[in-house]
Amino acid sequence: GDSVTQMEGPVTLSEEAFLTINCTYTATGYPSLFWYVQYPGEGLQLLLKATKADDKGSNKGFEATYRKETTSFHLEKGSVQVSDSAVYFCALYSISNAGGTSYGKLTFGQGTILTVHP
Amino acid sequence: EAQVTQNPRYLITVTGKKLTVTCSQNMNHEYMSWYRQDPGLGLRQIYYSMNVEVTDKGDVPEGYKVSRKEKRNFPLILESPSPNQTSLYFCASSYLRGAYEQYFGPGTRLTVT
Repeated sequence: GDSVTQMEGPVTLSEEAFLTINCTYTATGYPSLFWYVQYPGEGLQLLLKATKADDKGSNKGFEATYRKETTSFHLEKGSVQVSDSAVYFCALYSISNAGGTSYGKLTFGQGTILTVHP
Repeated sequence: EAQVTQNPRYLITVTGKKLTVTCSQNMNHEYMSWYRQDPGLGLRQIYYSMNVEVTDKGDVPEGYKVSRKEKRNFPLILESPSPNQTSLYFCASSYLRGAYEQYFGPGTRLTVT
């Protein structure tokens, strides 16, 4: 089945440092890839997405490029802020069929805790 | 405001005492889903629903029940909770097409002693 593997955390950085969180996936076909973010005490929010190979998703200074050849979707940010402290989830979207209806299913990685110090 | 609400946010209960966690969305979404979040395991899908009266098992359905009698509501029922169901639970909803853009509730932290 589909699976997503993220780098082990937690990750601790100083403000303005460069961030990379690695994500690799296993899937049949051509999935769409996502990063969700979970701020303390809140639910998950969609951060960015890429729907086909070589697409770059970007939002709030974060970027990730869909690399089909390495089955990866690493999250990067050039200069992190304290407000970026959160848990980051890589996710894969695949199409399933049930009762003749197609629908999408999200498969999540285990999450990476990021803490940014002033 | 578009949102997914869950109640309660925190719950401590004892083994075997039936409980229900409610979930409601105001976006007219067809698709709703329950996840549990455990350290090192990410989010795992418990049950999902593609529309009213249409539900199916996710990856970890044992010990849980759901119902979808109205489009906006999708309660999670634990008939006989056990300590291994201590977890953080999230409800999510989306349109049926484009289910990747799921909107999440704030979470319910459940402790079963």
